[in-house]
Amino acid sequence: RKEVEQDPGPFNVPEGATVAFNCTYSNSASQSFFWYRQDCRKEPKLLMSVYSSGNEDGRFTAQLNRASQYISLLIRDSKLSDSATYLCVVSPSYNTDKLIFGTGTRLQVFP
Amino acid sequence: NAGVMQNPRHLVRRRGQEARLRCSPMKGHSHVYWYRQLPEEGLKFMVYLQKENIIDESGMPKERFSAEFPKEGPSILRIQQVVRGDSAAYFCASSPDGPRNTQYFGPGTRLTVL
Repeated sequence: RKEVEQDPGPFNVPEGATVAFNCTYSNSASQSFFWYRQDCRKEPKLLMSVYSSGNEDGRFTAQLNRASQYISLLIRDSKLSDSATYLCVVSPSYNTDKLIFGTGTRLQVFP
Repeated sequence: NAGVMQNPRHLVRRRGQEARLRCSPMKGHSHVYWYRQLPEEGLKFMVYLQKENIIDESGMPKERFSAEFPKEGPSILRIQQVVRGDSAAYFCASSPDGPRNTQYFGPGTRLTVL
């Protein structure tokens, strides 16, 4: 079983749509959780950290369910510029800062 | 404040040659991480270094790969006797001192082995 699993997509949505991505992780001791965005052939960029209480940044909302080992990202009012691959990322323990990446979910927003 | 710098951006090597990838962390950052992204796959952790120390190399292949982060100068990821399967994008990230800090990624080096 992969350490971090995501639906690869692609998700094709019209502008203005709401889209949700899900992710599961296998290590119950994982400590930190993130969503990164990666544009084609570019470096990953941090979109937001994810907290148990849930957090929101503009059109983006992230949720963490530790009991189910499940992370979600909701994008409201999709823009063409949101087209990218969204990476679910987990840091497994306090002993190391290494990041474990999912393979990503591809989003394509069309006019 | 310049971001994480990596060079070269593109590197072509023939099988059996050596590849040297360089990473200069953001100013004030003392932690460096290397990740590899094979075609159509996710990023995989390779190694975590602080100045003059390897902290975690659990993701490094056992042979041909080595990494260093000297007291002065950039971090170097070295691949000896490259094979076609080494073709990938290699990303470096840095973070400031202290635990649980955000990692900022460089633009990557795309290695192609002919």
